[in-house]
Amino acid sequence: EVRLVESGGGLVQPGRSLRLSCEVTGLIFENNALSWVRQAPGKGLEWLGFIGSVRFGGTTDYAASVKGRFTVSRDDSKSVAYLQMNSLKAEDTAVYFCTRLDGYLGFDYWGQGIRVTVSS
Amino acid sequence: EIVLTQSPGTLSLSPGERGTLSCRASQTVTSSLLAWYQQKPGQAPRLLIYAASNRAAGTPVRFSGSGSGTDFTLTISRLEPEDFAVYYCHQYGDSRYTFGQGTKLEIK
Repeated sequence: EVRLVESGGGLVQPGRSLRLSCEVTGLIFENNALSWVRQAPGKGLEWLGFIGSVRFGGTTDYAASVKGRFTVSRDDSKSVAYLQMNSLKAEDTAVYFCTRLDGYLGFDYWGQGIRVTVSS
Repeated sequence: EIVLTQSPGTLSLSPGERGTLSCRASQTVTSSLLAWYQQKPGQAPRLLIYAASNRAAGTPVRFSGSGSGTDFTLTISRLEPEDFAVYYCHQYGDSRYTFGQGTKLEIK
């Protein structure tokens, strides 16, 4: 069974940083691309960024709304992907989902989501 | 980036009826790499349809996807009570992935 489990969320002050983790089990982690998606309260889904498998150079790309502030990385030895979020703003308050990204299937596996609240 | 516009915003139907949800892209979706997701309150989205018309594992046959280019449709042939949820389309043909704003399917 494929499982993605996010952690590291919580309450953070504006301007601070936070790093989310996504632990993946049930698949060969190093062969897979991963992505982050968020959902602000009562709003729709917003894609944030992805990281390709190391086999394909670990390429990253980001949505314009977070480029330069958010960074996706991975540690294949631990089967964990990360989302580093800097200079957080109130509008970054959301539930953050980790997903497996397949080039043909899309986002076929999702974590349960982790809540991040940016507030003073 | 490709903007996806879903219509209607809310669809009110009764169990047993047919549901038709639309997703229009601002430019051609490469290789029809468009997916549909279902999301229920407090849950993560669930992949229903990929590459415009292929049912994901576990998707009931009453769900079907169609379309190409800029116009895509999700059809639910006969609504079951568990189908009332929010549905999102998503394009992944362009590396700057985008989602539609969602269609809420509610019980009439």
